[in-house]
Amino acid sequence: EAGVVQSPRYKIIEKKQPVAFWCNPISGHNTLYWYLQNLGQGPELLIRYENEEAVDDSQLPKDRFSAERLKGVDSTLKIQPAELGDSAVYLCASSWDSMNTEAFFGQGTRLTVV
Amino acid sequence: KQEVTQIPAALSVPEGENLVLNCSFTDSAIYNLQWFRQDPGKGLTSLLLIQSSQREQTSGRLNASLDKSSGRSTLYIAASQPGDSATYLCAGLGGAQKLVFGQGTRLTINP
Repeated sequence: EAGVVQSPRYKIIEKKQPVAFWCNPISGHNTLYWYLQNLGQGPELLIRYENEEAVDDSQLPKDRFSAERLKGVDSTLKIQPAELGDSAVYLCASSWDSMNTEAFFGQGTRLTVV
Repeated sequence: KQEVTQIPAALSVPEGENLVLNCSFTDSAIYNLQWFRQDPGKGLTSLLLIQSSQREQTSGRLNASLDKSSGRSTLYIAASQPGDSATYLCAGLGGAQKLVFGQGTRLTINP
């Protein structure tokens, strides 16, 4: 069974440029998460989807970040414009539901803003 | 608001030792607690999931326990090996239906 797939694995952009990350969750998983992980820290939730609905986006900086999950499968996370402080690892995770099932993570996208 | 703490931040032990990693959480009304492993530059690998109704889970040389009343979980690693070197993260799933992570414990097993 394929795991959570994220692309690209690495991205280097100049500040003020846009960037997008893509995530393909495990087949059949209804819940999809985007997390941000700074160096030496634990991941922090940006947004949670139940199918195609964003049910928790309270930690998403909506002035520059946006996300979508079309048809309740793949998801994209976008930053426009990127700032130096956005340099981090962006992790996608999925689970059958958000209650009592195991969450599986992708390899992450390491973003460097210069 | 759920807060998760892991102590120590780093641990170095010789190969072959048994060791315990600690995780504490503030909200005892959690649905489950999950332990992950993260290798440098990699994503998170799920190790063990303990449901709120369970007290422990085992997988090979790993054993995780959960004590909701005291707000603590431990990950026991038996007969440690150099390949166990990684950062170990615990995360609690609470009423907000999101995983809240600790800062992680960076484990080094010395040959």
